[in-house]
Amino acid sequence: LAKTTQPISMDSYEGQEVNITCSHNNIATNDYITWYQQFPSQGPRFIIQGYKTKVTNEVASLFIPADRKSSTLSLPRVSLSDTAVYYCLVGEGTYKYIFGTGTRLKVLA
Amino acid sequence: DAMVIQNPRYQVTQFGKPVTLSCSQTLNHNVMYWYQQKSSQAPKLLFHYYDKDFNNEADTPDNFQSRRPNTSFCFLDIRSPGLGDAAMYLCATSRTRTYTDTQYFGPGTRLTVL
Repeated sequence: LAKTTQPISMDSYEGQEVNITCSHNNIATNDYITWYQQFPSQGPRFIIQGYKTKVTNEVASLFIPADRKSSTLSLPRVSLSDTAVYYCLVGEGTYKYIFGTGTRLKVLA
Repeated sequence: DAMVIQNPRYQVTQFGKPVTLSCSQTLNHNVMYWYQQKSSQAPKLLFHYYDKDFNNEADTPDNFQSRRPNTSFCFLDIRSPGLGDAAMYLCATSRTRTYTDTQYFGPGTRLTVL
């Protein structure tokens, strides 16, 4: 049974880089890792997705080691508006997706 | 240019009184998902439609049903809501079911059961 775990919460200051890890020990060979951001009373929003090594887009980077049993979302120079809950999402079996436990990020001024 | 729309945003029902939540999409995606998200928890997949093909999760209670009359609309029916069904219900869509396809979420419907 796939299980994804994340730190419950993190605090950071504006302008700092934040790294959030997700452990997914039973990830399937062909599965990708996707990260979502969720603000209160809103649906999750896609941030980034990757399969291995490193992926970067305009808002984040995703680092995935060779064994793919974990992944790290990196947010460069966070601002107050990055305060949200961050979830990793991996597949479990056929067409089933499991959200990680979620990390509540609080960015302080 | 809303892409996934959920109505209503807030729904109050009484214990045992059937309720229907609505989701529509303008993306023309083949897949529509329903998730349940309880307070301070991650979203939990209830079921999904791939086109007209319904796929129920094994642990989804029979109290939860869904309908998809056409590509654009999908409904979540809760036949006899209990206090434990109070939650945010999220609808999402994706073009296909492959792992690389992004899921687009609606804003959710917050259900209160009195």
